[in-house]
This record gives sequence, structure tokens and C-alpha cells, in this order.
Amino acid sequence: EAGVVQSPRYKIIEKKQPVAFWCNPISGHNTLYWYLQNLGQGPELLIRYENEEAVDDSQLPKDRFSAERLKGVDSTLKIQPAELGDSAVYLCASSLDQGTTDTQYFGPGTRLTVL
Amino acid sequence: GESVGLHLPTLSVQEGDNSIINCAYSNSASDYFIWYKQESGKGPQFIIDIRSNMDKRQGQRVTVLLNKTVKHLSLQIAATQPGDSAVYFCAEATGGYNKLIFGAGTRLAVHP
Repeated sequence: EAGVVQSPRYKIIEKKQPVAFWCNPISGHNTLYWYLQNLGQGPELLIRYENEEAVDDSQLPKDRFSAERLKGVDSTLKIQPAELGDSAVYLCASSLDQGTTDTQYFGPGTRLTVL
Repeated sequence: GESVGLHLPTLSVQEGDNSIINCAYSNSASDYFIWYKQESGKGPQFIIDIRSNMDKRQGQRVTVLLNKTVKHLSLQIAATQPGDSAVYFCAEATGGYNKLIFGAGTRLAVHP
């Protein structure tokens, strides 16, 4: 079974430019998460989807970050415009259901460098 | 605010030795605790979890201990192997795994 797929794996952009990350969760997983991971730190939740609904976006900086999961499967996370401090690894994770202790499975992440 | 932290940022062990990675948490309401392993260039990988109504849980070569009195969590790895070299994160959650709070991580280096 394929794991969580993310693309691109690496992205280098100049500040003020837009950037988008794509995630394909494990087949059948209803819940999808986007995390930000700074170097040497643990992941921090940005947004959680249950199917196509964003049920927790309290940590998403909505002035520049946006996300969508239109058909309840794939998801994109966008930053516009990017700032130097956005340089980090953006992780996507998925789990089978919501409100339970289903394990979150993480993708390899997209490493963003903002110059 | 709520936080999960680690006592040791780097742990070096000899191959074959047992490893102990420690974690302190601050939210006494947390009732789920999870250990993740993250290898370079990969996402975190689930290792083992424990609920607050338990004080010990064993897996394959790993044991997690929970001391709610002092809000302390540890991961014990038996007969550490080179493949165990990675960064280990503890995470806590309340009422389920929807919102995990991760600590900063401990790097485990296994030397032959």
C-alpha cells in the first residue's frame, strides 16, 4: 500500500513569491493534516481536514496561508506571498478516521527554502 | 501554554546497548502519548503509544513508561541497532489524536 505522497520534495523560491504544496493521503483515509516543522523542532499542526471540511485551522496564518481539499482526497497548501521565516519542512499526514486514536501516517514532507 | 519537552537533545550509544529517551510534558489533562521516529529526509513514523490509564506498554524491542505523578514519559529501546539512529519525538494529545503536540526531539546516534 502506498504511503502519503507529497510533492515537490524540495522547493526554493524568492521571498514574496507564491508556492504550493500537494498531498495525496493514504487511500481511504478521511482525515488529513498539514504540519509545519522547523529545523530541530517537532511538527506543529497547521490545519486538519475531515473529508473536505477544515475542522481545525486555528493555527493556520490565514493572511498568507490557504489550503483546500476539494474532493476530500488530495489537498494543497499555498503560501502567498512567502516570507523568509516560512523556510521549513511542510508535512502532510493522514489517518483513517476522526475523533479516535487512529495513527497518523506522515509523508516525507516538502522542504521549502525562501531566499 | 501546553508544551512537551525533552531532557536530552542528543544521545549517543553503542550498538547493542539499551537506549532511554526521556520526555517531560506539562499538560496534566493529556491522556494519550505517542513516540515517533524520524529519519533524515523522511516524515515521522509511529513507534508506540500509551494511554494515561497505563504506566507501561511494550512493543518489539521498545517499551514506553509513563509516570503521571511527575509528568514524565520515556522510550526504552533494547539492543539498539544502527537502524535506530534517528530523531525521536514524543507527542501528547487529549481526547484522541486529532491534535498532537510534539516536543523538540532527541537525536539518537548509534555507534558500532
